[in-house]
Amino acid sequence: SAVISQKPSRDICQRGTSLTIQCQVDSQVTMMFWYRQQPGQSLTLIATANQGSEATYESGFVIDKFPISRPNLTFSTLTVSNMSPEDSSIYLCSAGYGLAGFYEQYFGPGTRLTVT
Amino acid sequence: QQQVKQSPQSLIVQKGGISIINCAYENTAFDYFPWYQQFPGKGPALLIAIRPDVSEKKEGRFTISFNKSAKQFSLHIMDSQPGDSATYFCAASRGGNFNKFYFGSGTKLNVKP
Repeated sequence: SAVISQKPSRDICQRGTSLTIQCQVDSQVTMMFWYRQQPGQSLTLIATANQGSEATYESGFVIDKFPISRPNLTFSTLTVSNMSPEDSSIYLCSAGYGLAGFYEQYFGPGTRLTVT
Repeated sequence: QQQVKQSPQSLIVQKGGISIINCAYENTAFDYFPWYQQFPGKGPALLIAIRPDVSEKKEGRFTISFNKSAKQFSLHIMDSQPGDSATYFCAASRGGNFNKFYFGSGTKLNVKP
């Protein structure tokens, strides 16, 4: 399995500001993913981040609102821009490890964001 | 359209009992079915996974049963313990090329001592 860390673990931000969440993996991975999870709810994929190429966003998520960087094979950032209270959620990153034609995903501990 | 349907939404089991969580999928191209366990304030942790070439996979007290014809798979937790109290998510994906995972809605398990 992988060890994935996220910073910050939680934050309280004012509306209109931006927050950058960092995700660090203890080994090189091809693909990283960013999810949003409302308390008590399932996981919603925001985007897939492949090193060396633009992130691929899911329907309902746009690059201007959630810019993602993937500068190397162990690190990624997600920025939540121009925040509103509706952005309050848990943000999770995950890393995909390929195995013989399919892959496993391992998740970080999450970043709990509250927007006031 | 929800790709993976999970039930029940919540489950209460006595210590030592069997916990059973069910998932159903529609896309016959799915060929990888993991289960995740999530404790409050933590990220989901990969618990056990199965591919459709086998009908059952067991790891310790956790077993996945897979029914390809019915497009269903389930998680069985034998001898359930209070420490198993968590939210469980099933997921499904198509193999290869890092295709996205489709997650179920989650089941909150409470094992009473």
